[in-house]
Amino acid sequence: DTAVSQTPKYLVTQMGNDKSIKCEQNLGHDTMYWYKQDSKKFLKIMFSYNNKELIINETVPNRFSPKSPDKAHLNLHINSLELGDSAVYFCASSQDGRPNTEAFFGQGTRLTVV
Amino acid sequence: AQKITQTQPGMFVQEKEAVTLDCTYDTSDPSYGLFWYKQPSSGEMIFLIYQGSYDQQNATEGRYSLNFQKARKSANLVISASQLGDSAMYFCAMREGSNAGNMLTFGGGTRLMVKP
Repeated sequence: DTAVSQTPKYLVTQMGNDKSIKCEQNLGHDTMYWYKQDSKKFLKIMFSYNNKELIINETVPNRFSPKSPDKAHLNLHINSLELGDSAVYFCASSQDGRPNTEAFFGQGTRLTVV
Repeated sequence: AQKITQTQPGMFVQEKEAVTLDCTYDTSDPSYGLFWYKQPSSGEMIFLIYQGSYDQQNATEGRYSLNFQKARKSANLVISASQLGDSAMYFCAMREGSNAGNMLTFGGGTRLMVKP
């Protein structure tokens, strides 16, 4: 069973469109995240979310918004897509926020904006 | 300021030899965790090893060990007996105890290439 699953794996879309990436974890974890990996492989945190609060990286444009229908899901909505949004987006989860808990990652979604 | 620094963008190692990937970190939080992840060409992120700031001994997981030097704020990954399948990107990451949002902060990564 896949622990953290994202769909779709690949997403090609035109500038200006609105798209969503879904993420589900079956680990019973309390905290979920979205990361962006750019073309130079640098991983940047976008959001951290548990059932109590959403923490947003202040550098993330407000065109990006996470939606959590329940504890096991954290979807990423992107409005008015731009060329610079092209990247690999990773969903992750961890048991809680203690320093000793590792994060489990989904397989990534490669977003290409044309 | 960079919290996690990996100074080796790319490295080669001969198959069956050991290799050390460098990682230095910056934090004033006494409670933190350090992690290493592997990202093969297929793209997934694979957790390798963890070291806690209060751990007295260096972490080991099979062929992976972590050379933790707290005073120097370094947490280097040592891979023994390299295999061709070890060719990948390797990321060092840190989670601080006081970190709002409990996020992992990553270094820029090191690309390891194992030569046959």
